[in-house]
Amino acid sequence: DTGVSQDPRHKITKRGQNVTFRCDPISEHNRLYWYRQTLGQGPEFLTYFQNEAQLEKSRLLSDRFSAERPKGSFSTLEIQRTEQGDSAMYLCASNIGDRGKETQYFGPGTRLLVL
Amino acid sequence: DQQVKQNSPSLSVQEGRISILNCDYTNSMFDYFLWYKKYPAEGPTFLISISSIKDKNEDGRFTVFLNKSAKHLSLHIVPSQPGDSAVYFCAASARHGGTSYGKLTFGQGTILTVHP
Repeated sequence: DTGVSQDPRHKITKRGQNVTFRCDPISEHNRLYWYRQTLGQGPEFLTYFQNEAQLEKSRLLSDRFSAERPKGSFSTLEIQRTEQGDSAMYLCASNIGDRGKETQYFGPGTRLLVL
Repeated sequence: DQQVKQNSPSLSVQEGRISILNCDYTNSMFDYFLWYKKYPAEGPTFLISISSIKDKNEDGRFTVFLNKSAKHLSLHIVPSQPGDSAVYFCAASARHGGTSYGKLTFGQGTILTVHP
């Protein structure tokens, strides 16, 4: 069990640029979640997938944000036309989702800084 | 609308003593609760969970208590150790679509400092 991995760990970009983050969940986990955490706050839910289906999206997820999980394994989160307010830690988590296996396990996060 | 609240931003405890971290929630649909620990520049690490059918769950030095009528849960760490110093988040979940659990809703976190 290698845990949830995220790439890159850090990203610095200029306002207006597009960025893409990748998450690889624990291998047998069929659910994958994206959260965003800003300084002094707890993680906020963005969206989640069961296999390749996107089951829920937060109101926080503006049309500049898009997430995919095309083959039900890794996922990507893209932010288009980045704004300074997008600066945050982007966290990915995964679980199996069955009864008794609801615990979500988090990756190390991708820290985004928009200049 | 903050559905999960941790009203103490920080807590300072002496090594060997008990640490008690508190969490309140407002959404009566929440019936599964978790505590995570987070170090700077790392993702949250799962500590312990409890479902609403229980009022207590223990795992080593960690015990979580749930008071459903008060919509309150607490995490007890006994004895506290300097390595426990971190930010602690409580999180809650409700069944999505009536079956399995979906997203987590987090509190703002409490910074625990354990002094040697």
